[in-house]
Amino acid sequence: TQLLEQSPQFLSIQEGENLTVYCNSSSVFSSLQWYRQEPGEGPVLLVTVVTGGEVKKLKRLTFQFGDARKDSSLHITAAQPGDTGLYLCGNMEYGNKLVFGAGTILRVKS
Amino acid sequence: SQTIHQWPATLVQPVGSPLSLECTVEGTSNPNLYWYRQAAGRGLQLLFYSVGIGQISSEVPQNLSASRPQDRQFILSSKKLLLSDSGFYLCAYRGTNEKLFFGSGTQLSVL
Repeated sequence: TQLLEQSPQFLSIQEGENLTVYCNSSSVFSSLQWYRQEPGEGPVLLVTVVTGGEVKKLKRLTFQFGDARKDSSLHITAAQPGDTGLYLCGNMEYGNKLVFGAGTILRVKS
Repeated sequence: SQTIHQWPATLVQPVGSPLSLECTVEGTSNPNLYWYRQAAGRGLQLLFYSVGIGQISSEVPQNLSASRPQDRQFILSSKKLLLSDSGFYLCAYRGTNEKLFFGSGTQLSVL
């Protein structure tokens, strides 16, 4: 099973600040999915990146996939309290099972 | 449209008691189904997945088992719960483009 390392584990920032979280592996990802989870709920897919060097934007969120497809980052501009949650990256292995990293807990204070 | 139902939302069970969590999916046929467990505020550990009726792949040796008696039904069971079985259990199905759609989860406390 491919190991996905996410950093930082925890991030607490003020509203309006920018932040970046990371997802790394020693192996090449076939594709990478980013999810956000709020307390007491299931994760919700934000984006899937597939091509090396790919950049996708979702409002204030920018997702990058490394050229070698071994790493990915999520950058949030002008964070809002509604961005608070657990951010998870996941990789679909062998086409059937989605394996997740340990996640980054983000807290945005107003 | 596709929906996923998972129940109960909260469960408190004594050590040594049995467990049965049920998950059903509507609006799709022959979906891949998944059971995950999550420790507080941390990542999801894949427990079981199923690509069809009666087909179960176990990812982590443990005190739990899974069954898929019908196409859109996935059940997580235990004969005797341990304290370490406590956690947030999530069921999911696979949609198009390898996306997973999750249920609302069951918070299990074993006391």
